[in-house]
Amino acid sequence: QQPVQSPQAVILREGEDAVINCSSSKALYSVHWYRQKHGEAPVFLMILLKGGEQKGHDKISASFNEKKQQSSLYLTASQLSYSGTYFCGTEIGGGADGLTFGKGTHLIIQP
Amino acid sequence: NAGVTQTPKFRVLKTGQSMTLLCAQDMNHEYMYWYRQDPGMGLRLIHYSVGEGTTAKGEVPDGYNVSRLKKQNFLLGLESAAPSQTSVYFCASSYSTLVLTFGAGSRLTVL
Repeated sequence: QQPVQSPQAVILREGEDAVINCSSSKALYSVHWYRQKHGEAPVFLMILLKGGEQKGHDKISASFNEKKQQSSLYLTASQLSYSGTYFCGTEIGGGADGLTFGKGTHLIIQP
Repeated sequence: NAGVTQTPKFRVLKTGQSMTLLCAQDMNHEYMYWYRQDPGMGLRLIHYSVGEGTTAKGEVPDGYNVSRLKKQNFLLGLESAAPSQTSVYFCASSYSTLVLTFGAGSRLTVL
């Protein structure tokens, strides 16, 4: 079952912050975040393993609340280059049977 | 280092025709995946492979077949194309942590 992402779309001014949420109805082994620009392939941002860790990548960070089966992606002081569609991908079993992706969150950064 | 290469990039088929999409990776990855991406639906897993000679069904396998005769190649076949299979197809590969490297995508239109 696909994880649920919210919001579906966000429009920001450059320099503003954004939060994208991902929630699952199943217990998760890990959560992955990818960004896809229009007409391009998704690109890996970060992976969070169960244990409630928080990771960062430049001004993009994420948290994973294993108990609530939720993850959030935080974009701080957004830049024009952050525009794109963000997908969370969830892994249930820790095996190699692939990620289940949410429907995506469209992020538009305006100058 | 090419990464993941998909061919062809674009294809137009008539209903009932067959075709094969080729995915090739040069990273010596064990795991390979085929996803389809439709507007508003995110990425959905069609089939995957955890090693040479192995294949398994994903979330939306009906109407597709796959083969992995060589470790570096993963083929996706449509035996009798239907308009519902109009989509963008992404191949991805990973080593062990499910950090996916995606190909550039293949856009298929079925008339």
